[in-house]
Amino acid sequence: EDKVVQSPLSLVVHEGDTVTLNCSYEVTNFRSLLWYKQEKKAPTFLFMLTSSGIEKKSGRLSSILDKKELFSILNITATQTGDSAVYLCARLMNRDDKIIFGKGTRLHILP
Amino acid sequence: EAQVTQNPRYLITVTGKKLTVTCSQNMNHEYMSWYRQDPGLGLRQIYYSMNVEVTDKGDVPEGYKVSRKEKRNFPLILESPSPNQTSLYFCASSSSGRPYNEQFFGPGTRLTVL
Repeated sequence: EDKVVQSPLSLVVHEGDTVTLNCSYEVTNFRSLLWYKQEKKAPTFLFMLTSSGIEKKSGRLSSILDKKELFSILNITATQTGDSAVYLCARLMNRDDKIIFGKGTRLHILP
Repeated sequence: EAQVTQNPRYLITVTGKKLTVTCSQNMNHEYMSWYRQDPGLGLRQIYYSMNVEVTDKGDVPEGYKVSRKEKRNFPLILESPSPNQTSLYFCASSSSGRPYNEQFFGPGTRLTVL
């Protein structure tokens, strides 16, 4: 089955901590993996990863893909309360243009 | 302003009464998609469209129809809504005929079927 599994489902940390969110998928023949941030509205795009081992970075957020082990991580350093959100990952396949999302990780940053 | 718009934003209806949720984008995007979001289940793709007159089923197409007669519009049709279609619906679009790039999401439509 073309599942995308995110862990943890929920995470509570203090401001300033570093967090690592995980996303694993079950199939090969894979095109790319996407990360989104969702606050109390529509998801907003963070990263698209297509190549293994190449880190994408945007400010305090970074992400990397491991196509051999079929997972990706999203790191957030020096977290702030504004990072509180649900983080979603999704995969695109080569064989079609379907997008499958994971269930998300709910991150809460305590001041 | 580049955007995806959805209407209505909120809708309460009754079982069996046909409804349409409209989606429109002003970015000349080829790819458009509908999702539903439910607690504990995340975002699930209902239908997507690679271009005008080209539509395909996503993961949860049952009970829904779509059409893509014009590039900018991608309405979602519920011919006979049922309570299990109560959900938050998002429309999204992206460029280049593939969802390679960033998908722009609409603001969402919260649908309640009684």
